Amino acid sequence: QSALTQPPSASGSPGQSVTISCTGTSSDVGGYNYVSWYQHHPGKAPKLMIYEVSKRPSGVPDRFSGSKSGNTASLTVSGLQAEDEADYYCNSYAGSNVWVFGGGTKMTVL
Amino acid sequence: QAQLVQSGAEVKKPGASVKVSCKASGYTFTHYYMHWVRQAPGQGLEWMGTIDPSDGNTRYAQKLQGRVTMTRDTSTSTIYMEVSSLRSEDTAMYYCATRGGSSYSYAMDVWGQGTTVTVSS
Repeated sequence: QSALTQPPSASGSPGQSVTISCTGTSSDVGGYNYVSWYQHHPGKAPKLMIYEVSKRPSGVPDRFSGSKSGNTASLTVSGLQAEDEADYYCNSYAGSNVWVFGGGTKMTVL
Repeated sequence: QAQLVQSGAEVKKPGASVKVSCKASGYTFTHYYMHWVRQAPGQGLEWMGTIDPSDGNTRYAQKLQGRVTMTRDTSTSTIYMEVSSLRSEDTAMYYCATRGGSSYSYAMDVWGQGTTVTVSS
């Protein structure tokens, strides 16, 4: 049960696109299409942004998109806005009722 | 509207135990797995484990095996998470989370407000 690997930081200017990677193994990210992404502002509860690799929950802007290739999942934020500045975490189902988070990526809007 | 409400902040001494509660409302409690997630200061989110409220079956993160116990009370739609032999590294914000009636498979759509646990002598 090792944490998924994310870059510690990512940044972009308003209007730009930024992609965050999330690398696991064939036992988690690569083995299931159950990768989700969470946005976390300090002092608030995390918010679900993407589930099942690429699906958006109701109310999440279509600027947020997800994908997966092999053992690596990605979150892309297009048309970056100031309110997108937050920590982002990937999460994957790893089988046998086990889930695992990534280490988190701090997104900065320049 | 699914909602999770957690118990209040706790301060404990090293070696003690802490039990945090999470009361669910707005959806069928027994239909959806519930999770506990924590975040230590300056650290990332850590999945601690999950409980199936329908039968009480649990699965814990390997790192916490033997020190964490998750239980549920179906009569009050509440789950509990107890951590024993507390260490300073257990100082964290603890969240409960669930899919809570949504169709967002294997995701955590509804979160509690968080409970701060401080371990200090």
